[in-house]
Amino acid sequence: AQSVTQLDSQVPVFEEAPVELRCNYSSSVSVYLFWYVQYPNQGLQLLLKYLSGSTLVKGINGFEAEFNKSQTSFHLRKPSVHISDTAEYFCAVFPSGTYKYIFGTGTRLKVLA
Amino acid sequence: DGGITQSPKYLFRKEGQNVTLSCEQNLNHDAMYWYRQDPGQGLRLIYYSQIVNDFQKGDIAEGYSVSREKKESFPLTVTSAQKNPTAFYLCASSPGQGSTDTQYFGPGTRLTVL
Repeated sequence: AQSVTQLDSQVPVFEEAPVELRCNYSSSVSVYLFWYVQYPNQGLQLLLKYLSGSTLVKGINGFEAEFNKSQTSFHLRKPSVHISDTAEYFCAVFPSGTYKYIFGTGTRLKVLA
Repeated sequence: DGGITQSPKYLFRKEGQNVTLSCEQNLNHDAMYWYRQDPGQGLRLIYYSQIVNDFQKGDIAEGYSVSREKKESFPLTVTSAQKNPTAFYLCASSPGQGSTDTQYFGPGTRLTVL
């Protein structure tokens, strides 16, 4: 069975500070990896995805993530956050040979002035 | 503009009533999905459809039903058999059946049972 773990349910950080949101997964098959962002009372929007190739993936809004196969992790980073980055962030995996995403429980990022 | 629309944005239901949530997409996507979102639980898959006139149960299908009579539409009915229906419901679509496809999400419907 596959699973996704986002250990941090909430992450407070001051504006212009760096942030890392952690994501670990477990899977017996190869997976594709995604990060989505959800602003209050809205749907999810894709930030970035890892399919193959370079393990460092750059996405929208200055976010990037690094795939680490040995540690089964896909942590999301941003060197300097803005107030507008306040949102909930979801890590998801798409196991090879299936037709559905498995989502983590989300990390609520709160950027403080 | 292409996208996914969900209606209504807010929905109130009395216990014992069935309600239908609308999901429409004009992206010409083959696959469509319904998720339920509860605080602290992430997204859980209710039903998905890979092609018109075909759909499969997800992880929490009990108390829900769907239809896929048209490519652009995938309505979800929350029946009275669903014991705890109060939640935020998200519809999504993707171009095909490939696992590399990005899913595009609608704005959601918040259902409250009174």
